[in-house]
Amino acid sequence: DTAVSQTPKYLVTQMGNDKSIKCEQNLGHDTMYWYKQDSKKFLKIMFSYNNKELIINETVPNRFSPKSPDKAHLNLHINSLELGDSAVYFCASSQDLGDGNQPQHFGDGTRLSIL
Amino acid sequence: DAKTTQPPSMDCAEGRAANLPCNHSTISGNEYVYWYRQIHSQGPQYIIHGLKNNETNEMASLIITEDRKSSTLILPHATLRDTAVYYCIPSGWISYGKLTFGQGTILTVHP
Repeated sequence: DTAVSQTPKYLVTQMGNDKSIKCEQNLGHDTMYWYKQDSKKFLKIMFSYNNKELIINETVPNRFSPKSPDKAHLNLHINSLELGDSAVYFCASSQDLGDGNQPQHFGDGTRLSIL
Repeated sequence: DAKTTQPPSMDCAEGRAANLPCNHSTISGNEYVYWYRQIHSQGPQYIIHGLKNNETNEMASLIITEDRKSSTLILPHATLRDTAVYYCIPSGWISYGKLTFGQGTILTVHP
């Protein structure tokens, strides 16, 4: 059973297009995250949601819009894709924010390539 | 965000213990020390975390110094599958659970 699943695994598209990446977790967790790993392998948080409410928004361009229809899903929609958006995007989840004593579980990533 | 310092790379022979150090001298009192690893092309994998006491699970042991300024992750019997980038990350409620990944340590386990 996949705990945190992302679709698609690979996404190749043209500059200027709009695309979405979906994330689902079956762990019953309250908090979900999006991270970006660039070509230099730096992993950086983008967003986090707790119970469908936005908690963290790390100065991400407003072309990126997360949407959480329910606690088990956190999708990432990207408008007007740019070359610099090429990266691997990871979704993660944790039980709750609490006192920070909750490890995060990551998906396998979505590899986005902009032509 | 607490800053961390880890050696860029380490080598270990298969079957031997791998001891990965991390300096986190600016850690806040309520931040846990988390360790994750990333095996090539996969998502980060949680290993272990602790606040003050040493911790052990089926994957590893975590030794935290009394002043909490540094810690060591111990893989007791390293295997080739443990070759990965290992990250030490202070995190807690003060940062809303955010994980700030540094450069980590590339651990290579040799046959």
